[in-house]
Amino acid sequence: QQPVQSPQAVILREGEDAVINCSSSKALYSVHWYRQKHGEAPVFLMILLKGGEQKGHEKISASFNEKKQQSSLYLTASQLSYSGTYFCGTEEGARNTDKLIFGTGTRLQVFP
Amino acid sequence: NAGVTQTPKFQVLKTGQSMTLQCAQDMNHEYMSWYRQDPGMGLRLIHYSVGAGITDQGEVPNGYNVSRSTTEDFPLRLLSAAPSQTSVYFCASRESGGRGETQYFGPGTRLLVL
Repeated sequence: QQPVQSPQAVILREGEDAVINCSSSKALYSVHWYRQKHGEAPVFLMILLKGGEQKGHEKISASFNEKKQQSSLYLTASQLSYSGTYFCGTEEGARNTDKLIFGTGTRLQVFP
Repeated sequence: NAGVTQTPKFQVLKTGQSMTLQCAQDMNHEYMSWYRQDPGMGLRLIHYSVGAGITDQGEVPNGYNVSRSTTEDFPLRLLSAAPSQTSVYFCASRESGGRGETQYFGPGTRLLVL
């Protein structure tokens, strides 16, 4: 089942912070975060696994609340390069299934 | 490594025609998948494979076939193209095993069905 992302769009000035949320009605094994720039392929940012393990980006952090089936991506001190569409992808269930379903995306625009 | 490669980059088809979108990876990844991306719909999973000889359906499999005869290749076949299949198609791969492996996407194939 496709996860729900919010907000759908965010407009920021450079240096401002943003939070993007991803939620599912199903129990989740993992949450993946990707960023896509216009006309390009999605690029990996972060993976959060059930049990608390986290692998990802230096300047971007995320949380994963397993009980609520929710994840949030935190973008601090945003830069112009952060502009793009952010997607969360989820793996449902109690263990690895390798079936990754993506949300509809959050469009982030950062202005000088 | 070339990573994930897709061919063609762009294709125009007429309704009813068939074609194969090619996808290859040179990272020895077990897991490969196909997504389509439409405006406002995000990335939707079409089919995926956890290894040679093993494939499974995703969210939107109708109208598409796949096979996985080798670890490297994962072609996507459109049997009878329809205008609703106009989209950007992305192939992706990653190691399998469930411990947080990065998924790599190919550059995409833009398909227009008239």
